[in-house]
Amino acid sequence: KAGVTQTPRYLIKTRGQQVTLSCSPISGHRSVSWYQQTPGQGLQFLFEYFSETQRNKGNFPGRFSGRQFSNSRSEMNVSTLELGDSALYLCASSLGEAGGPQNIQYFGAGTRLSVL
Amino acid sequence: QKEVEQNSGPLSVPEGAIASLNCTYSDRGSQSFFWYRQYSGKSPELIMFIYSNGDKEDGRFTAQLNKASQYVSLLIRDSQPSDSATYLCAVISNFGNEKLTFGTGTRLTIIP
Repeated sequence: KAGVTQTPRYLIKTRGQQVTLSCSPISGHRSVSWYQQTPGQGLQFLFEYFSETQRNKGNFPGRFSGRQFSNSRSEMNVSTLELGDSALYLCASSLGEAGGPQNIQYFGAGTRLSVL
Repeated sequence: QKEVEQNSGPLSVPEGAIASLNCTYSDRGSQSFFWYRQYSGKSPELIMFIYSNGDKEDGRFTAQLNKASQYVSLLIRDSQPSDSATYLCAVISNFGNEKLTFGTGTRLTIIP
């Protein structure tokens, strides 16, 4: 079974631009979560999508948005990029069914975004 | 107070010894607990998960959970150089909530 696939692996953008990252979950997984990892803040939760609906949201500004398609693939968009948005963006997928303590999140390889 | 706290290390352990990694969490209602391993430049990889008080063993790894003390630990027996990595503790507050709250990670180095 293929793992979580994130594209692209690397991105270089300049301040003020916008960027879209893509995530394809493990087959059969309906939940996709996004995380930002930086040396200073560690891993922080951005948001989670389940069945095309945002189910959970972290404490990030509205410049960070996402969506999920009917095939569970997800995209994350960051508008008006700032230098501080430079980070590793990780996507994780899980079955996502409510009430399941064994809902394990599996991570993709990540997209490393550099904002110049 | 951070929601999930770990000693950032680095923690150095001789090869063949037991490595002990600790994590405390602030939300007493937390339900599920995870240990991820992350090699430099790579993404987190699940090592163990636990949601009941007590010990859970998988090969050389043992996770220990004490909800009364809000404490979860990971023991690595017979440590190998390939175990050198950053170990991340993560917590889910409620079943059905997919938000993982991570600690800052403990950097473990196994000395040959």
